[in-house]
Amino acid sequence: DAKTTQPPSMDCAEGRAANLPCNHSTISGNEYVYWYRQIHSQGPQYIIHGLKNNETNEMASLIITEDRKSSTLILPHATLRDTAVYYCIVRDLNYGQNFVFGPGTRLSVLP
Amino acid sequence: SQTIHQWPATLVQPVGSPLSLECTVEGTSNPNLYWYRQAAGRGLQLLFYSVGIGQISSEVPQNLSASRPQDRQFILSSKKLLLSDSGFYLCAWTPGNSNQPQHFGDGTRLSIL
Repeated sequence: DAKTTQPPSMDCAEGRAANLPCNHSTISGNEYVYWYRQIHSQGPQYIIHGLKNNETNEMASLIITEDRKSSTLILPHATLRDTAVYYCIVRDLNYGQNFVFGPGTRLSVLP
Repeated sequence: SQTIHQWPATLVQPVGSPLSLECTVEGTSNPNLYWYRQAAGRGLQLLFYSVGIGQISSEVPQNLSASRPQDRQFILSSKKLLLSDSGFYLCAWTPGNSNQPQHFGDGTRLSIL
């Protein structure tokens, strides 16, 4: 079972920031938070990951709460091409633990 | 840089026929390799993973099998396909034992008639 909880769907206006929440209240100290997205009929695309510090790259920002029980993926200026299913995953660095994908959040960017 | 290749992109097979899907990774050595299936409108289900040549772990009992004959080659097979084997099959890799993200191929859409 996935260790994360995400809202099933969200809407965002084009050009505005999209803030996608993820709850991972049972996360342990060794577990990283990863975000992926999947556009219809394509393989999942890696976006960003982090352990406890906030992270930023060319695609998005990842904000992790101080207690690490939740995080938010931020797409600063959403475009229509950002419409996709977004997956939040926690994974332990230790040998053998795999990526478990839950149902994710379906983000619709509206014109 | 590392790349992952998965083929074919689409496949239509009759019930009872065999299956072989191939996945190869370039630009790395000793990767962890994964096969996932995604039914229409559903999340990803992990089918198999491998941490080395000849080492296969199965996550769910099913009509499918996997093999890893070479370090960067992962094959998904079936002797006799069922209607329920239809879906979107994805291969993925990670560097062995690291916190680096998993990277996916473009997938194979398999339709069983």
